[in-house]
Amino acid sequence: NAGVTQTPKFQVLKTGQSMTLQCAQDMNHEYMSWYRQDPGMGLRLIHYSVGAGITDQGEVPNGYNVSRSTTEDFPLRLLSAAPSQTSVYFCASSLYLGLAGKNEQFFGPGTRLTVL
Amino acid sequence: SQQGEEDPQALSIQEGENATMNCSYKTSINNLQWYRQNSGRGLVHLILIRSNEREKHSGRLRVTLDTSKKSSSLLITASRAADTASYFCATELIQGAQKLVFGQGTRLTINP
Repeated sequence: NAGVTQTPKFQVLKTGQSMTLQCAQDMNHEYMSWYRQDPGMGLRLIHYSVGAGITDQGEVPNGYNVSRSTTEDFPLRLLSAAPSQTSVYFCASSLYLGLAGKNEQFFGPGTRLTVL
Repeated sequence: SQQGEEDPQALSIQEGENATMNCSYKTSINNLQWYRQNSGRGLVHLILIRSNEREKHSGRLRVTLDTSKKSSSLLITASRAADTASYFCATELIQGAQKLVFGQGTRLTINP
């Protein structure tokens, strides 16, 4: 298994540009999520999905869109990039146990994004 | 402030010593998880402790959870240089549908 893969690894954008960060997993996990990590900080949840066709907002969703058309893929779209979106972005997946929770999340290697 | 806050923010010890990191949180949880992040890498899951558990072991790791104090600690015994990393606690909220809320992390350095 490849686990959770993310592309690209690095990206530089100009303010106002749009782009899509790709995330894929081959573990048949229902739950997928996107986080951003700023220097010296923990991870903050952007959006998450509990299955194909179902997405919801996390702590910092503004400026980002997601969709989940398949179990495997969960792309993150930046609509109009801003310097405040300079960060490292991590995708994660896990089995979904509903409110019972109790599952570890598997993380991708991250995408380092710089917005000029 | 964040749900999970960790203490200390940085810890530097000699190889072979034990390292203890603490995490405090504010609201009721399903479980608390600890993750490790090596520099420039993604996070790796270390251990999960459920809200009805008080202590859990995994190899050289020992995690405790005190729900009355809303706090947890991670103990790494007999530290090694390879343990150098950032360690994050993450709480899964009861109403959170498996959303994890991360602390800011403890940067651990093991000196040879």
